[in-house]
Amino acid sequence: DAGVIQSPRHEVTEMGQEVTLRCKPISGHDYLFWYRQTMMRGLELLIYFNNNVPIDDSGMPEDRFSAKMPNASFSTLKIQPSEPRDSAVYFCASSWGPFMAFGSGTRLTVV
Amino acid sequence: QKEVEQDPGPLSVPEGAIVSLNCTYSNSAFQYFMWYRQYSRKGPELLMYTYSSGNKEDGRFTAQVDKSSKYISLFIRDSQPSDSATYLCAMSANNQGGKLIFGQGTELSVKP
Repeated sequence: DAGVIQSPRHEVTEMGQEVTLRCKPISGHDYLFWYRQTMMRGLELLIYFNNNVPIDDSGMPEDRFSAKMPNASFSTLKIQPSEPRDSAVYFCASSWGPFMAFGSGTRLTVV
Repeated sequence: QKEVEQDPGPLSVPEGAIVSLNCTYSNSAFQYFMWYRQYSRKGPELLMYTYSSGNKEDGRFTAQVDKSSKYISLFIRDSQPSDSATYLCAMSANNQGGKLIFGQGTELSVKP
């Protein structure tokens, strides 16, 4: 099993540009999560899906953030327009029961 | 008040020391308790989990849960420089379908 796969690993973009982060969860996992990690705020849950359906998006900071899960093997997190304060490491994770596995993250820098 | 509180450290110990990492929580519905280890520039990886109260041992690592005090601990015996990482506690209730609430993480450095 290749684990949770995220792309890209690093993204540098200019303020105002659209950013799309991608995730492939572990096959058979029925939950998918998007987290953001910063030094100041730690690991924050943005949104999570169960069987491809969004369950809780209360952690999404603003309307500039959106997430989709069109099928069981793919999810995207989009930021449009991006701002410097969005700079962080974004993690995708998937789980079966209470056991969660994380991807390697996307380090986003907005300049 | 956060649901899960964890001292961010940093914590620095000499090689061979016993390390104690702790978290407190406020939600009495939490039943699953995990410890994740995160190396620099990597994603968190599950290190240990405990269901409800009690102790669990795995090699040099011991996880303890005291639900009466809402307090969990991770002990590392004979700490090694390779244990240097950030350790995050995480917990969930039965009815939250895999959603975990994480502590802030404690940065640990084990000096040779």
